[in-house]
Amino acid sequence: AQSVTQLGSHVSVSEGALVLLRCNYSSSVPPYLFWYVQYPNQGLQLLLKYTTGATLVKGINGFEAEFKKSETSFHLTKPSAHMSDAAEYFCAVSHSGGYQKVTFGTGTKLQVIP
Amino acid sequence: ETGVTQSPTHLIKTRGQQVTLRCSSQSGHNTVSWYQQALGQGPQFIFQYYREEENGRGNFPPRFSGLQFPNYSSELNVNALELDDSALYLCASSLEAGTSGVGEQFFGPGTRLTVL
Repeated sequence: AQSVTQLGSHVSVSEGALVLLRCNYSSSVPPYLFWYVQYPNQGLQLLLKYTTGATLVKGINGFEAEFKKSETSFHLTKPSAHMSDAAEYFCAVSHSGGYQKVTFGTGTKLQVIP
Repeated sequence: ETGVTQSPTHLIKTRGQQVTLRCSSQSGHNTVSWYQQALGQGPQFIFQYYREEENGRGNFPPRFSGLQFPNYSSELNVNALELDDSALYLCASSLEAGTSGVGEQFFGPGTRLTVL
């Protein structure tokens, strides 16, 4: 079984401030972890993913996330928020195996204040 | 390279009706997954098709069914629609669903279904 918990359904940051979106996962096998972004009325776009190897993963648009097995966390960060980062962000977990069931968290809406 | 497309973009049905949603996968992708995203929620996995066979299913009743065609495009069919079926339905395609690991899933823009 696998699950994802995203702390904070809404996060507000000032433009230029640090963005930190929290994600904790539960998985009975080594996980694959993802962050997706969804803009209004659009599908999901992959920001970054962790499968194996380096635990600090860099993604698009200046985002990065660190896999911490001991904390079962995969928090998303960006050093300096931009207005265009305002969107909804979803953390997701999957694993290797016969099929790619991806389990999503409930999402965090990021508001960027000018 | 053409991305994932879905049709229609919006659909309104009444309770008890049946609906078919369509998805064209990205060129070269042989796996399609369908998700239901209710308002304010994360996407919920419905099922996945790999080379025309259902390859995995989430906690959805049998009235949710699907097909994948030889060109890897896919349909999602929902019978006996209920009010709670109102949601954004997302299709995602990826390269392989085998044991080699997780291929990146590319999402379409979704179909917004409203059941009245």
